[in-house]
Amino acid sequence: QSVLTQPPSVSGAPGQRVTISCTGSSSNIGAGYDVHWYQQLPGTAPKLLIYGNSNRPSGVPDRFSGSKSGTSASLAISGLQAEDEADYYCQSYDSSLSVWVFGGGTKLTVL
Amino acid sequence: EVQLVESGGGLVQPGGSLRLSCAASGFTFSSYWMSWVRQAPGKGLEWVANIKQDGSEKYYVDSVKGRFTISRDNAKNSLYLQMNSLRAEDTAVYYCAREGSGYWCDYWGQGTLVTVSS
Repeated sequence: QSVLTQPPSVSGAPGQRVTISCTGSSSNIGAGYDVHWYQQLPGTAPKLLIYGNSNRPSGVPDRFSGSKSGTSASLAISGLQAEDEADYYCQSYDSSLSVWVFGGGTKLTVL
Repeated sequence: EVQLVESGGGLVQPGGSLRLSCAASGFTFSSYWMSWVRQAPGKGLEWVANIKQDGSEKYYVDSVKGRFTISRDNAKNSLYLQMNSLRAEDTAVYYCAREGSGYWCDYWGQGTLVTVSS
């Protein structure tokens, strides 16, 4: 059971927009800690996609965007492409546990 | 170009020990916090431990406290994870990662697989 809750899977057709939610609590996201997102393509290491809730590292397309509100955060992917098919993880810090925490991951399928 | 290359994984019996290494290049290693993150087969990511730039602060997830030790050698641009009293549930790919300025990992290695089994 992950501290941060993500839907196990989402799907969308090429060109569509999908969102992935990440729900936490008052000891992590709700306490003001930033949320970060990673993309893990099949068989590869995770890659930083969004940091500090809504910032994109250089090289990440602006089709990817992040937001945070209250105890939740979201990752939005617009203009879906086949190469976006991957696992996506949210991550934050939990002050009660004093550890970094990850969501369980969401598998994105491009139909 | 930032590169992180892990090594040292393998098959070990329950109760055994293993030392993972991570060779860093392409950045000033001594200026960054570093982390180990693991991923059990078919499962999600789990943060394991991290260490401050000078090694003076170290933090661990509860499940590895007292069994794993993170360390670094800034002269060798290397990060280590000494794993003792290994259990089947420690079986995972272990990633070395560089930390950004605020609780995130901006670069990851390719990972090294640790399998704990008799």
